[in-house]
Amino acid sequence: NAGVMQNPRHLVRRRGQEARLRCSPMKGHSHVYWYRQLPEEGLKFMVYLQKENIIDESGMPKERFSAEFPKEGPSILRIQQVVRGDSAAYFCASSPDPGEQYFGPGTRLTVT
Amino acid sequence: AQSVTQLDSQVPVFEEAPVELRCNYSSSVSVYLFWYVQYPNQGLQLLLKYLSGSTLVESINGFEAEFNKSQTSFHLRKPSVHISDTAEYFCAVLGKNTDKLIFGTGTRLQVFP
Repeated sequence: NAGVMQNPRHLVRRRGQEARLRCSPMKGHSHVYWYRQLPEEGLKFMVYLQKENIIDESGMPKERFSAEFPKEGPSILRIQQVVRGDSAAYFCASSPDPGEQYFGPGTRLTVT
Repeated sequence: AQSVTQLDSQVPVFEEAPVELRCNYSSSVSVYLFWYVQYPNQGLQLLLKYLSGSTLVESINGFEAEFNKSQTSFHLRKPSVHISDTAEYFCAVLGKNTDKLIFGTGTRLQVFP
């Protein structure tokens, strides 16, 4: 059973561009979570999704950030008009039900 | 709401010495507790967890943690560390009525030969 997959592993964007981060949960997991890790900090919750539904987006910045988990395909975290402060590692986690979460390897976003 | 405090940002230790990484939490509801390890430039790996039952939980590589409800702690211990244990360790709490993990700021364990 493959683990949580994230791609790309590294992403470089210029200020003002869009960043798209993808996450494929573990097989059989229908709950997906996104976390952000700023340099020298712990992980901060961003959003929790189930198939086609956003359950909790209390950690998402109000502007430029959006997330989806369609019926088919991976979960996508989209950041529009990126700024330098968006540079961070973005981790996706999945679980079969609310509870123990399994993390992917992360996407390291660098905004130049 | 929940919060997690890891008081030690860095813990240097010599190989084969014992180590304790401290974690305290606060919560108004019952919680599940986790320790994750992050090796350089990698994702998080679950090290061990407390969900219910025995308050002492162990990992396959010699780490253990004890849930202490009265002291609201979940300290991580290993009696003899290896160079390969050098990594960042994160304590996390999940409220039983919530869906998001709350992480501490992490403790960097540096093992020296």
